[in-house]
Amino acid sequence: GAGVSQSPRYKVAKRGQDVALRCDPISGHVSLFWYQQALGQGPEFLTYFQNEAQLDKSGLPSDRFFAERPEGSVSTLKIQRTQQEDSAVYLCASSRAGGSQPQHFGDGTRLSIL
Amino acid sequence: EDKVVQSPLSLVVHEGDTVTLNCSYEVTNFRSLLWYKQEKKAPTFLFMLTSSGIEKKSGRLSSILDKKELFSILNITATQTGDSAIYLCASLRWGNEKLTFGTGTRLTIIP
Repeated sequence: GAGVSQSPRYKVAKRGQDVALRCDPISGHVSLFWYQQALGQGPEFLTYFQNEAQLDKSGLPSDRFFAERPEGSVSTLKIQRTQQEDSAVYLCASSRAGGSQPQHFGDGTRLSIL
Repeated sequence: EDKVVQSPLSLVVHEGDTVTLNCSYEVTNFRSLLWYKQEKKAPTFLFMLTSSGIEKKSGRLSSILDKKELFSILNITATQTGDSAIYLCASLRWGNEKLTFGTGTRLTIIP
């Protein structure tokens, strides 16, 4: 597609529920990134894939967070047993591999945990 | 740990003014510095700076990197209300493609 596509745009869940957020990167982009953006803050890195390989997951805040990209295209970020502190905007970005090209971001999923 | 600091946190100016936004960084194995504009949705890419002292321009926006003093500036001339947004600065290091962001500068342009 023309840009990075994320769904849903908004998600409301009760504390303790599991959620799944989807990211469809720009066609041909090898690298895919997930960031978490709290209100009034810059995005914070969560995890990164090159094709289907998860190369860095150092930013995932707990083992309740899990990301996958099984066929090297669409990615899913799953949060289990959600907590109120998980409320944030989750941004996905993609780029050509190697870091010489900029990352392009989707519109994000705004997650609210009640 | 990599650190990116932006100033000011917030700025309000009148339409037509010129603004300068600042970004300083402390990054091991620094590779590049990037600027993004964020309105209500996705951060949109503005500039990627890798070499010191070379100005990049796009219309009324320009940016430059100083790798000796470890900072970058983003200039916007003849500001318009459509320039109102949060401007984010991010660093990229060699060996890892993740971006480290500052907290952003919220720019408001008054008509």
